[in-house]
Amino acid sequence: NAGVTQTPKFRILKIGQSMTLQCTQDMNHNYMYWYRQDPGMGLKLIYYSVGAGITDKGEVPNGYNVSRSTTEDFPLRLELAAPSQTSVYFCASSYRGGPNTGELFFGEGSRLTVL
Amino acid sequence: GDSVTQMEGPVTLSEEAFLTINCTYTATGYPSLFWYVQYPGEGLQLLLKATKADDKGSNKGFEATYRKETTSFHLEKGSVQVSDSAVYFCALSDQNSGGSNYKLTFGKGTLLTVNP
Repeated sequence: NAGVTQTPKFRILKIGQSMTLQCTQDMNHNYMYWYRQDPGMGLKLIYYSVGAGITDKGEVPNGYNVSRSTTEDFPLRLELAAPSQTSVYFCASSYRGGPNTGELFFGEGSRLTVL
Repeated sequence: GDSVTQMEGPVTLSEEAFLTINCTYTATGYPSLFWYVQYPGEGLQLLLKATKADDKGSNKGFEATYRKETTSFHLEKGSVQVSDSAVYFCALSDQNSGGSNYKLTFGKGTLLTVNP
């Protein structure tokens, strides 16, 4: 029972490099999300998707891009990495109506450091 | 806009002590309220929830009551264990805020450490 799987778990990038954080869920959830977690700051929503082919910006989308070509996958792309993007990134998913019940399922996180 | 305010941590307790973590919220509509827990090295997990005023959510010995009059949702446990050491997040989902109802608004989190 995999749930939400994120890769990689850890990554160090140089300023200006690009990378993609992968996220896959096997629960057939419609809704998927990317959050970032900064120390002492809680979680901030970067992007979300309500289904394949549909994505929208969250609170802090600048410097990121997403795509949702399948129900299962929701990769997060970082273009031109900056030190301000050093954070822990969490992917999450929920079933239709899940946000209103708060039942999000989270991956284990990806710790990204930009030097 | 919507916001959640949690008590500042860290909180350090001895095993079997009573736990309270305060949470208050601001919302324009009729929010549902949640507590999530994050154990070391893991993602967040839903701990409990309440969807309307005066509801009490409970799970694993933890409880929280939705108090509309004080806009609060304090987390309590009568006797904590070492295994309860984690970060606890209060969150809300506001269905009628006029904006997106697809996201949760999280508090900053409270680190709890329970010593044997």
